[in-house]
Amino acid sequence: DQQVKQNSPSLSVQEGRISILNCDYTNSMFDYFLWYKKYPAEGPTFLISISSIKDKNEDGRFTVFLNKSAKHLSLHIVPSQPGDSAVYFCAASERGGSNYKLTFGKGTLLTVNP
Amino acid sequence: DAGVIQSPRHEVTEMGQEVTLRCKPISGHNSLFWYRQTMMRGLELLIYFNNNVPIDDSGMPEDRFSAKMPNASFSTLKIQPSEPRDSAVYFCASSLVGPLHFGNGTRLTVT
Repeated sequence: DQQVKQNSPSLSVQEGRISILNCDYTNSMFDYFLWYKKYPAEGPTFLISISSIKDKNEDGRFTVFLNKSAKHLSLHIVPSQPGDSAVYFCAASERGGSNYKLTFGKGTLLTVNP
Repeated sequence: DAGVIQSPRHEVTEMGQEVTLRCKPISGHNSLFWYRQTMMRGLELLIYFNNNVPIDDSGMPEDRFSAKMPNASFSTLKIQPSEPRDSAVYFCASSLVGPLHFGNGTRLTVT
């Protein structure tokens, strides 16, 4: 039973345009969400997070939106750059992030074409 | 800071052999995690240590898997005996407060 789902295995975008990566979750106890980026042959690196008390968090070119009623979050990258090409993982946890247990989605491969 | 260091980067072994994966967490981090990544199941938590004590090993697949953390700067994940279905990328991660910091993983192939 997959509690965090990333339904698009891959996404291709032109440089300079917006990339939108989506994530759905089923566990209503999740209240803290993170995005990780992973390059080949490297470990995932933390990108941005959001608590369920917010519906948006922004960090430079990266913005995460949370829709609690739909149990959906998205990561927007504007403008997209070739260096953003990587696998993006959505992750969720309970108890405001104090719970050590992260549940990951299977990832979306983003390719940004020059 | 060197980050989380894992060794070896690649391991190829034959079925039935013992495999030991190693991890050095970031200095000062008090939580350590072992994850496994496969195509079918994605990233799964195997075991979580806090202050060198195993807190949750419910993700360990079976008794063939064991993990230790003898001190704050070293952890091992052992598979004995190994099986082809153990082939995966194994990640170690550490944290103090906030997001996990992952190592670059060990790619294990069991033939």
